[in-house]
Amino acid sequence: GEDVEQSLFLSVREGDSSVINCTYTDSSSTYLYWYKQEPGAGLQLLTYIFSNMDMKQDQRLTVLLNKKDKHLSLRIADTQTGDSAIYFCAESFLISSGSARQLTFGSGTQLTVLP
Amino acid sequence: ETGVTQTPRHLVMGMTNKKSLKCEQHLGHNAMYWYKQSAKKPLELMFVYSLEERVENNSVPSRFSPECPNSSHLFLHLHTLQPEDSALYLCASSSGGTGVNEQFFGPGTRLTVL
Repeated sequence: GEDVEQSLFLSVREGDSSVINCTYTDSSSTYLYWYKQEPGAGLQLLTYIFSNMDMKQDQRLTVLLNKKDKHLSLRIADTQTGDSAIYFCAESFLISSGSARQLTFGSGTQLTVLP
Repeated sequence: ETGVTQTPRHLVMGMTNKKSLKCEQHLGHNAMYWYKQSAKKPLELMFVYSLEERVENNSVPSRFSPECPNSSHLFLHLHTLQPEDSALYLCASSSGGTGVNEQFFGPGTRLTVL
């Protein structure tokens, strides 16, 4: 599969904005995703963006997509201590049978929110 | 609660043991997945089942053997594992098809191989 890259750590103060960046390599990805993983839990989908969009906003979350540079970012406004978690970006492509999508994940960014 | 359950949550086994991990989804999904999550590494997709048929097998060693008896259940049979197989094993399910295909994850089984 293709490599998806993220920085490993990010620390912000409570109330500030957080920006988590990701680069991907498969230009044919139709959907790109942001997942969140809290301690002791599996991954949970936060949001996704379709490849023909540049931006998607969902309450405190803003996703920006730059297809030319294959760059995806997640901005969390007014970051709270409950946002502390690992955030994964992922790109998708259809599996060989076309019956489902396969995701390639980045290594995850550990977001720490300081009081 | 995501609708995907995994048992056991923790497992310690020796290299000569045989054990099985179980995953169950209550979402009516058609596709199920096994992932391996190791420290400081990206999630690695191991197997994909769509409509109970294995459709992907990403060069996983034969000491891992998946089984999908129906669309709600997925097993991962383990035998003669190595210490480097210690990791969090995550199961996921999705509706399948060509759309968004959100994957819903279980909480994982933390496996330690001694």
